[in-house]
Amino acid sequence: KAGVTQTPRYLIKTRGQQVTLSCSPISGHRSVSWYQQTPGQGLQFLFEYFSETQRNKGNFPGRFSGRQFSNSRSEMNVSTLELGDSALYLCASSEQDMGTEAFFGQGTRLTVV
Amino acid sequence: QKEVEQNSGPLSVPEGAIASLNCTYSDRGSQSFFWYRQYSGKSPELIMFIYSNGDKEDGRFTAQLNKASQYVSLLIRDSQPSDSATYLCAAMNSGYSTLTFGKGTMLLVSP
Repeated sequence: KAGVTQTPRYLIKTRGQQVTLSCSPISGHRSVSWYQQTPGQGLQFLFEYFSETQRNKGNFPGRFSGRQFSNSRSEMNVSTLELGDSALYLCASSEQDMGTEAFFGQGTRLTVV
Repeated sequence: QKEVEQNSGPLSVPEGAIASLNCTYSDRGSQSFFWYRQYSGKSPELIMFIYSNGDKEDGRFTAQLNKASQYVSLLIRDSQPSDSATYLCAAMNSGYSTLTFGKGTMLLVSP
């Protein structure tokens, strides 16, 4: 069974631009969550989707958004990029909800210059 | 504010010793707890999870949960240099399908 796949692996963007990151969950997994990881703040929850519906959202500004498609693939978008958005963005999938085993993708390393 | 606290370390142990990693959480309604291992530059990898008070063993790893004390721990027996990594503790928040992570404890196992 293929694992969680995130694309692209690395991105360099300029302040003010927008970016879209993609996550394909493990086959059969319907819950997809996104996290931001920085050295100072650790892993912080962004949002979680289940069956195309956003069930939970973390404490991030509205510039961070996401969606989930009918095949459970998910995208997150960050608009008007700031230097502080530089981070590793991780996607995790689980069968039903995050109370069961959740598996992470390799992440997308975003650098904003 | 729901928080998960971990000592940042590093925790240094010699090869073959038992490494003990600890975690406390603030949300009494947290139901499940997870331990992840993260090597430098890599994504977190699930080691094990625990729901019930007491111990749960999986190979060289034992997770311990004490809900009354809001305390979770991970013991690694016969530590190996390949166990050197950052260990992340996470709690599933009550009523939500999200994980709150601690900032991790760095473990260094010396040969």
